[in-house]
Amino acid sequence: DIVMTQSPDSLAVSLGERATINCKSSQSLLKSFNNRNYLAWYQQKPGQPPKLLTYWASTRESGVPDRFSGSGSGTDFTLTISSLQADDVAVYYCQQYYSTPPYTFGQGTKLE
Amino acid sequence: EVLLVESGGGLVKPGGSLRLSCAASGFTFSSYTMNWVRQAPGKGLEWVSSISGSSSYIYYADSIKGRFTISRDNAKNSFFLQMNSLRVEDTAVYYCARGYCDRTTCYNWFHPWGQGTKVTVSS
Repeated sequence: DIVMTQSPDSLAVSLGERATINCKSSQSLLKSFNNRNYLAWYQQKPGQPPKLLTYWASTRESGVPDRFSGSGSGTDFTLTISSLQADDVAVYYCQQYYSTPPYTFGQGTKLE
Repeated sequence: EVLLVESGGGLVKPGGSLRLSCAASGFTFSSYTMNWVRQAPGKGLEWVSSISGSSSYIYYADSIKGRFTISRDNAKNSFFLQMNSLRVEDTAVYYCARGYCDRTTCYNWFHPWGQGTKVTVSS
């Protein structure tokens, strides 16, 4: 199984500052035939279901503010929030969908 | 609007059974892979099971294999998770979530998600 490891486990950032969350996979998530990384990012606020932020590592889902950006390739990925808003306080998860299941998530990063 | 609504959760004793349902609307249900993902109290997300649009491909997490069965009824735009031999460690909020399919291929990022249904296994 592919293991997803996020860092840090929690992060405190001031409003207006940049937040960076890292995600590392135990094997490459890049498929050469289409040059795509099979990684998604989610945001989960308390008492709510997760919300998709990005897929293909860097493609923002419709309606997601452009202050959220995903980057990286292979085994190392980053979610960046360029200017933190109060509404961004949440837990963030990465998830790989590289191959047949299991589809695994990182352990989550709590952003405060 | 794409909408997913779970039901069927509740309190059950260890060894008991529950059947979760997810009702879908706002999209061509039979064209999409559907998934169950759970979240234990205070914990992270765990993928549980997936079923392809035609039910040809079904997958389970090792933690529930042999105890849970996923199925779907495309005529009723619904899919299900039959949970047998429940254990205390199955206590979680269970979310249904849609995968993404284009004309030729399905990919399992999850969007959207239902609001979840809570399952508590306790004596």
